[in-house]
Amino acid sequence: DTGVSQDPRHKITKRGQNVTFRCDPISEHNRLYWYRQTLGQGPEFLTYFQNEAQLEKSRLLSDRFSAERPKGSFSTLEIQRTEQGDSAMYLCASSFWTGIGKNTEAFFGQGTRLTVV
Amino acid sequence: AQKVTQAQTEISVVEKEDVTLDCVYETRDTTYYLFWYKQPPSGELVFLIRRNSFDEQNEISGRYSWNFQKSTSSFNFTITASQVVDSAVYFCALSEGGNNRLAFGKGNQVVVIP
Repeated sequence: DTGVSQDPRHKITKRGQNVTFRCDPISEHNRLYWYRQTLGQGPEFLTYFQNEAQLEKSRLLSDRFSAERPKGSFSTLEIQRTEQGDSAMYLCASSFWTGIGKNTEAFFGQGTRLTVV
Repeated sequence: AQKVTQAQTEISVVEKEDVTLDCVYETRDTTYYLFWYKQPPSGELVFLIRRNSFDEQNEISGRYSWNFQKSTSSFNFTITASQVVDSAVYFCALSEGGNNRLAFGKGNQVVVIP
């Protein structure tokens, strides 16, 4: 396994369009996280899954954002009616969790850079 | 609410000098984890070190070392004998309990001058 992969690496879209990003985690990892990073800032948590269940969503995740992990493997993050403020790097990470205090560190993908024009 | 503060923004050092990055955190949990990640220009966050709240032992791993002090809520990170390849943004991060949701600081841009 070569690690967490994200597709596409770059996306330019016009305001108002919908976009979808994909994340393939490390195969044995049961947890998958989405973060957003704007220029000069640290990543901010958006949401995470354990297997196919979405366990937590940040208040940053407006109604225009939806994430899925249908079979507990890859995940998609969709942004509807994009706005210029959505321009950011979207990072995916995965980890293997077996209980409280028994979680590997999160491994990150290279991110998808979204530019809304 | 968890919070991580990295006060310095950009740090420039000459190659072979040591560089120390400061991190101060806030949490109400007694069980938490602290991390340092490196983000090179390629964008991928690379895991460097992790420490749990019950282990204040400071260690050295290669050219990396860390100083974890619960009394001052600090988790500082040192790169010894810096190299040009160390040029990157370094993030301190905190997760509470076992959920692994990370709260990141704003990062330190480290520039190593040859």
